[in-house]
Amino acid sequence: GAGVSQSPSNKVTEKGKDVELRCDPISGHTALYWYRQSLGQGLEFLIYFQGNSAPDKSGLPSDRFSAERTGGSVSTLTIQRTQQEDSAVYLCASSLGGRGAQETQYFGPGTRLLVL
Amino acid sequence: AQKVTQAQTEISVVEKEDVTLDCVYETRDTTYYLFWYKQPPSGELVFLIRRNSFDEQNEISGRYSWNFQKSTSSFNFTITASQVVDSAVYFCALSGPTFTGANSKLTFGKGITLSVRP
Repeated sequence: GAGVSQSPSNKVTEKGKDVELRCDPISGHTALYWYRQSLGQGLEFLIYFQGNSAPDKSGLPSDRFSAERTGGSVSTLTIQRTQQEDSAVYLCASSLGGRGAQETQYFGPGTRLLVL
Repeated sequence: AQKVTQAQTEISVVEKEDVTLDCVYETRDTTYYLFWYKQPPSGELVFLIRRNSFDEQNEISGRYSWNFQKSTSSFNFTITASQVVDSAVYFCALSGPTFTGANSKLTFGKGITLSVRP
């Protein structure tokens, strides 16, 4: 595709419910990243995929958060038993992959999550 | 650990003024990359520039210019003759060594909100 796409663009859920956020990276990009942007914490790294593997999950805040990637393309970030502190904008980015830190990451529009 | 500090939180200027956004970073890596991203009100992060730690040449792109000084660990961004469309949040970011895939995550500063008034 032309750019990174994410769905839904907005999600309102009740505390305790599970949510799934989807990311479709730029075609041909093998590296995929999830970040979270909140007022108090700024932009934080969550997880990094190279292909379908996640060599760096160090940013996931708790075991309620998980992510998978299938077919080296679409990724899903799942938050179980949502809490109000999970309210944030979840951003996905992709890069060509294979060359690590020197690559430019291109970001999607984000999913704005509100937990009531 | 890596750290990026953007000490300015909000800047307001009048159109056509020049403005400089400061970025100071900390890293133990000898090879690293620095980035600037723009986040307009629409919310999407837009890539502006990438600079590697071996290249200290200043760069100019239209009204934008960047000053990288390794001696002071700074990577400052100047907008010349600012325009209303430059109003956005600007983030400076840092990533680790080139060849280690696990270090490709970005460490961001808190961002600077720039408002350009007509």
